[in-house]
Amino acid sequence: QVQLVESGGGVVQPGRSLRLSCAASGFTFSTFGMHWVRQAPGKGLEWMTLIFFDGSHKYYADSVKGRFTISRDNSRNTLYLQMNSLTTEDTAVYYCAREARYFALDVWGKGTTVTVSS
Amino acid sequence: DIVMTQTPLSSPVTLGQPASISCRSSQSLVHSDGNTYLSWLQQRPGQPPRLLIYKISNRFSGVPDRFSGSGAGTDFTLKISRVEAEDVGVYYCMQGTQFPITFGQGTRLEIK
Repeated sequence: QVQLVESGGGVVQPGRSLRLSCAASGFTFSTFGMHWVRQAPGKGLEWMTLIFFDGSHKYYADSVKGRFTISRDNSRNTLYLQMNSLTTEDTAVYYCAREARYFALDVWGKGTTVTVSS
Repeated sequence: DIVMTQTPLSSPVTLGQPASISCRSSQSLVHSDGNTYLSWLQQRPGQPPRLLIYKISNRFSGVPDRFSGSGAGTDFTLKISRVEAEDVGVYYCMQGTQFPITFGQGTRLEIK
């Protein structure tokens, strides 16, 4: 079945880096745009970044621009999020999501938790 | 950035009764291609979000027909015709018309 599985979360000190992965299965990964969305504890959803199906275009929220980098390996059906210069405000559950037509996010992973703390 | 404002933020509803959530955008969500990229998502407790509605009023696959979306321009509404226990959770509107993509603050639906 169609599935997204995030990994790579954990506890990290402020200023350090972390790389998240999102493994896709059950669909042709290389034909879909992919997003990362995060949710701080007890808060709402915050969109972070999008990468086109072929990696040709990337968009970022201002809050992560210059610190986070989205990438993908279509041969491995995997999406990545490289997070640098982490701060306590980056503490959240990080979801990867598939973009269906019409800029709607139709498949979501269960999320991976990132805690930035000294 | 387009600001999405949902009302109410909390909605206690009796089982079997209707519920309605409003979402207003700070500017028109009509894209230059003529489409309006407004969707609704549901997040049940402890679960990831789930797509309910896309392009204002199109129900996603598997979504019960008690869910409906309407609106245009800057004002949009999600309606549940008869609330069931499984509908408890937080509902978000989301705009994809302009980057950055933005979400409403969320509306918590609870049973009275």
